[in-house]
Amino acid sequence: EAGVAQSPRYKIIEKRQSVAFWCNPISGHATLYWYQQILGQGPKLLIQFQNNGVVDDSQLPKDRFSAERLKGVDSTLKIQPAKLEDSAVYLCASSLEWYAQETQYFGPGTRLLVL
Amino acid sequence: GENVEQHPSTLSVQEGDSAVIKCTYSDSASNYFPWYKQELGKRPQLIIDIRSNVGEKKDQRIAVTLNKTAKHFSLHITETQPEDSAVYFCAARPTGSARQLTFGSGTQLTVLP
Repeated sequence: EAGVAQSPRYKIIEKRQSVAFWCNPISGHATLYWYQQILGQGPKLLIQFQNNGVVDDSQLPKDRFSAERLKGVDSTLKIQPAKLEDSAVYLCASSLEWYAQETQYFGPGTRLLVL
Repeated sequence: GENVEQHPSTLSVQEGDSAVIKCTYSDSASNYFPWYKQELGKRPQLIIDIRSNVGEKKDQRIAVTLNKTAKHFSLHITETQPEDSAVYFCAARPTGSARQLTFGSGTQLTVLP
């Protein structure tokens, strides 16, 4: 089966600019996650969707980050305005459901560098 | 919330030797413990997971053990090979609604030929 797709793979922007990332989960997966992985650290959950509803966004910096999954399939994560500390890899993952200890499958990530 | 600590941060072993990575967690409600392998510049991939109703699980050269009383779990890799070199992450997830997966900080494993 096709895996989780993400684009772009790399992005370089200057601070205070905006950027958007796109994710297409595995077909049929109801749950979608966005993680931030800073160099040398484990992934940290930013937001979790179940279909097109938000399940958990407690760690999303809502003053600058936003995410949507309007039709319950693809999702976009936006940062506006970006800060230097936002430099990280942004990973998208999906699973069949969230409540059944389902395996999360990760996409290749988008590597963001903020100058 | 859940807190997962992982040790060591780096580990070098000779090819053919065993490697052990340990994690502790804080939330006694956690009942799902996956391990992910991440090669440089690539996506994390699940290599093995364990649920709290079992104490050990094995898949060829890799095994995971879980001690719920002590709240720790470990990854064991036997007969290591150079292609095992990667960063390994443990994670824990509590049961219940909307519980997130919390990752450890990772272990860089290097298998020396």
